[in-house]
Order: sequence, then structure tokens, then C-alpha cells
Amino acid sequence: QKEVEQDPGPLSVPEGAIVSLNCTYSNSAFQYFMWYRQYSRKGPELLMYTYSSGNKEDGRFTAQVDKSSKYISLFIRDSQPSDSATYLCAMGGRGSQGNLIFGKGTKLSVKP
Amino acid sequence: GAVVSQHPSRVICKSGTSVKIECRSLDFQATTMFWYRQFPKQSLMLMATSNEGSKATYEQGVEKDKFLINHASLTLSTLTVTSAHPEDSSFYICSARMWGINEQFFGPGTRLTVL
Repeated sequence: QKEVEQDPGPLSVPEGAIVSLNCTYSNSAFQYFMWYRQYSRKGPELLMYTYSSGNKEDGRFTAQVDKSSKYISLFIRDSQPSDSATYLCAMGGRGSQGNLIFGKGTKLSVKP
Repeated sequence: GAVVSQHPSRVICKSGTSVKIECRSLDFQATTMFWYRQFPKQSLMLMATSNEGSKATYEQGVEKDKFLINHASLTLSTLTVTSAHPEDSSFYICSARMWGINEQFFGPGTRLTVL
């Protein structure tokens, strides 16, 4: 079993839809969780950072962490064509030597 | 804030030559820098971690003599791909982290094509 599982998609939604992106993980030692957005041929950009179970909201983005289920989500409200990108979850903590363990990324396409 | 730059953004070279890629943290001091490579439609693969003033720690399967990493200052790390071959063609991305925080901030990446 891989440490972090993420459905690669592709995921295609119409503009204005609510998008749900998810990752599961197996290492209960992970303490902090991040979501990155990567446009084609660019470096990843940090979107959200959380370290506790619950929700964290930033504009149209909401990050959700459920440590008991080892499951994290990123919700995008009122999705826009400019949100079309690959979204990578990442996590770390004890047992990862300070490194981030990345999911494979989910490719999202928002159609106008 | 937390801007990381990479140079060059794109390089094409002949097989057998060496290529140096620079990673700079522009507005913060990066105590740790990371080097990743990414093949098309694949996730990031960590190659090595470097702390300023120390030798880099390489991931299993990454040849340290082929991928030379230098982290001589708190704002600059370099990756040199020695004797590059076509199979080294990839997207190389660096990231940087400040002391005491967990977030990594990524550079824009360098696309290496070895002919």
C-alpha cells in the first residue's frame, strides 16, 4: 500500500461547480497536510496548509482533514476555468524526516 | 513573500555534457532545499535534500556522483547533472523551506532535454 493515494483523474467539471479532491494516507504519524496547485510546465504553488483535523477555509478553497479516517479533501467552490490544473496533496510529520510525501496529483479541467 | 527562482528555465544539451541548475530563495533564508524531478503526467520524485553547509542526503536510487548538489549559502542551491544522457531528460524542480516551518515553496522548474 502506498503511503499516499490520490485519484489521478482527469476530472472535468462545468464552470461554477463545486469540486472535491481527495487523498487517503496510511501513515498515522503524518501531522501536517498541504495542497499544491501545479499548472502545466510550472512548479507547484502552495494553496492550503493544515495540521489539525477539521476545516480550513481560504476564499473559494476549503481544506478538510479527518485524521481518524486518514482522509483529506480540498473543496473548490464556484470553480473557474483558471482553476484548471493538477492538484497535489502532500503531507509530512514524524516518520518522513521532514520531507513531504506527495500524492500523484489529480488533473482538473473546468469547462466554461 | 516566499519566492523561489530557478535558472535556467529550459536547457537543451548534447549527451555527455554537464548541466548546472540554480535554485534561489529571493526573499527568505532557506535552511533546507529539496530537489525533485518530474516525468510527464507523473508526480514529484524527491531526489535529494540539502541543508545549508552540509552534504546533501540522496534518496535511494539517486546517484550522488551523477547529480551533484551544492547548498553553499542560505539562498542558493545548485544541481549539476554530470555527463547527461537522454534518460536524464526531465522537469527538475527545487523547493525551499525556512527554519522552523513545514511548508515548502517551489521554484518554477527547469526543463532539461538531452539530445
